[in-house]
Amino acid sequence: TQLLEQSPQFLSIQEGENLTVYCNSSSVFSSLQWYRQEPGEGPVLLVTVVTGGEVKKLKRLTFQFGDARKDSSLHITAAQPGDTGLYLCAGVETSGSRLTFGEGTQLTVNP
Amino acid sequence: DADVTQTPRNRITKTGKRIMLECSQTKGHDRMYWYRQDPGLGLRLIYYSFDVKDINKGEISDGYSVSRQAQAKFSLSLESAIPNQTALYFCATGLAGRDTQYFGPGTRLTVL
Repeated sequence: TQLLEQSPQFLSIQEGENLTVYCNSSSVFSSLQWYRQEPGEGPVLLVTVVTGGEVKKLKRLTFQFGDARKDSSLHITAAQPGDTGLYLCAGVETSGSRLTFGEGTQLTVNP
Repeated sequence: DADVTQTPRNRITKTGKRIMLECSQTKGHDRMYWYRQDPGLGLRLIYYSFDVKDINKGEISDGYSVSRQAQAKFSLSLESAIPNQTALYFCATGLAGRDTQYFGPGTRLTVL
């Protein structure tokens, strides 16, 4: 089983600050996804990055896939309270059939 | 209406009881998955099914069984519940050839 390590596990910041969440593995994934989960709900897909070195932007969120397709980062600019939630990275195994999830980063943005 | 529904949403049971969690979907997806979520451990795959006649074990299948009654229904059973099976359980669906999974709202299970 391929493993994904996500850091930090918890992050509490003030509104307007920037932050970065990291997702690392020793294994290669065919693609990597980021999900966001709110209390009482299931995870919802934010983005999929496929190509090594790829950068995708979703408003104030920037996602990057490492050149070797083993790691990824999520950067949020000028965080807002509405960004609060659990962020999960998930690697698509090279066999294409399963997702491997990181442990999650619980983000709290204080007004 | 939600595309992926799970019942019950909350359940408290006792050690040794048999429990069934149900998942239904209206997305027309062929693939269905069961995960459990524990604090600090992310989501771990229990079982998955690529069609009605295909059932596969995930990384933590011991103590669990599943049934794919129809394309739209995938149930998870705990034959004899134990306290360390207390967790959030999520059902998800997906399409062959597409990596995105769509999650239900979860079932919070407590085993006393």
